[in-house]
Amino acid sequence: GENVEQHPSTLSVQEGDSAVIKCTYSDSASNYFPWYKQELGKRPQLIIDIRSNVGEKKDQRIAVTLNKTAKHFSLHITETQPEDSAVYFCAASKRGGGSNYKLTFGKGTLLTVNP
Amino acid sequence: NAGVTQTPKFRVLKTGQSMTLLCAQDMNHEYMYWYRQDPGMGLRLIHYSVGEGTTAKGEVPDGYNVSRLKKQNFLLGLESAAPSQTSVYFCASSYFPRLPTDTQYFGPGTRLTVL
Repeated sequence: GENVEQHPSTLSVQEGDSAVIKCTYSDSASNYFPWYKQELGKRPQLIIDIRSNVGEKKDQRIAVTLNKTAKHFSLHITETQPEDSAVYFCAASKRGGGSNYKLTFGKGTLLTVNP
Repeated sequence: NAGVTQTPKFRVLKTGQSMTLLCAQDMNHEYMYWYRQDPGMGLRLIHYSVGEGTTAKGEVPDGYNVSRLKKQNFLLGLESAAPSQTSVYFCASSYFPRLPTDTQYFGPGTRLTVL
């Protein structure tokens, strides 16, 4: 089955700096890569996703890049703010063709933004 | 819309007791999932369902059973609870067939402690 590795497990940055979280996946058939943010005591919520036919996607201060050849994708947060502090999870799945939309998650990155 | 709801929010069990966790969604989603979240382990899929009356095993199904008698509800059962099942349990749903989206929407979670 699919295996998703996520690094680093913890990341501490100063407010205003950029943060980058990286994930690798094992199944070359995976074609959908979402990122979830989980604040302390809350549910995971989707913040951005990318499909395998796209190399990069941006949404304001958040961007995700995908390298299908190397089987890795990354989350980039610019101009970090204290409210960005949370655990971030990457995930991978095979969309379509009876895939059942199962997600395989990385183990998470605890991002701390220091004021 | 309430989205995805879970009951109960908290529960303490003794080893060997049984209980059922209820997940309900009002988004007419076809797919529903049960995950457990443990520190440093990310989100691991327990069981999932691709439609009313169907269930399938995920990554960590042992010790759990599920049922999907109604499209909007997905039940997770523990027949004989063990301390290793102490965790936070999240339900999620996805896939409205007429919309091109894979997003999984999560419930607020149930914190279960087994003594």
